Amino acid sequence: DSGVTQTPKHLITATGQRVTLRCSPRSGDLSVYWYQQSLDQGLQFLIQYYNGEERAKGNILERFSAQQFPDLHSELNLSSLELGDSALYFCASSSPGGLDFGPGTRLTVT
Amino acid sequence: QQQVKQSPQSLIVQKGGISIINCAYENTAFDYFPWYQQFPGKGPALLIAIRPDVSEKKEGRFTISFNKSAKQFSLHIMDSQPGDSATYFCAASWTGAGSYQLTFGKGTKLSVIP
Repeated sequence: DSGVTQTPKHLITATGQRVTLRCSPRSGDLSVYWYQQSLDQGLQFLIQYYNGEERAKGNILERFSAQQFPDLHSELNLSSLELGDSALYFCASSSPGGLDFGPGTRLTVT
Repeated sequence: QQQVKQSPQSLIVQKGGISIINCAYENTAFDYFPWYQQFPGKGPALLIAIRPDVSEKKEGRFTISFNKSAKQFSLHIMDSQPGDSATYFCAASWTGAGSYQLTFGKGTKLSVIP
């Protein structure tokens, strides 16, 4: 168990809608990473927050945004959803050996 | 541009055999090379990782071999078991800024048959 929690587990929504994915990192960890896993693109780094501040940005679309709150949980907001946004979205925390991933949120856009 | 190339795409191994998965990278700034195991419906789980200052690292039945000059690294699973059947991902990152911006390979689906 990575200690990283994500909600919801599954999300089904329609094109054009907006959704919010939530992540709580392992207790005491200041970092939160977001990754997307899709059939087309594989696993891709989206964005990292550290203690409330954006630390690094990857292949994140302009329609997507994230933030990290004072209690260190993070939210990933996806707007104007397209069919191609259907994917697994993972949150991860740092560990001594590297990154530990949460169980993911499966987003289906219909 | 695919910065981490992984092969094979799928692999079938007999129980007790050795599973070998290979990866090649392009960015010489990468300094951290982990392998992840993923079961269906689960998040990737960190198996083992290596830094470029060593050529080999072993943890139980899992070994990473690293060749800096060839920009290649591989995962060996000794005495493969049916429970090892999963998808394996190699990855690479530069960690100089204290960040793990992992670039992943496309994955290898391993099936270990009894």
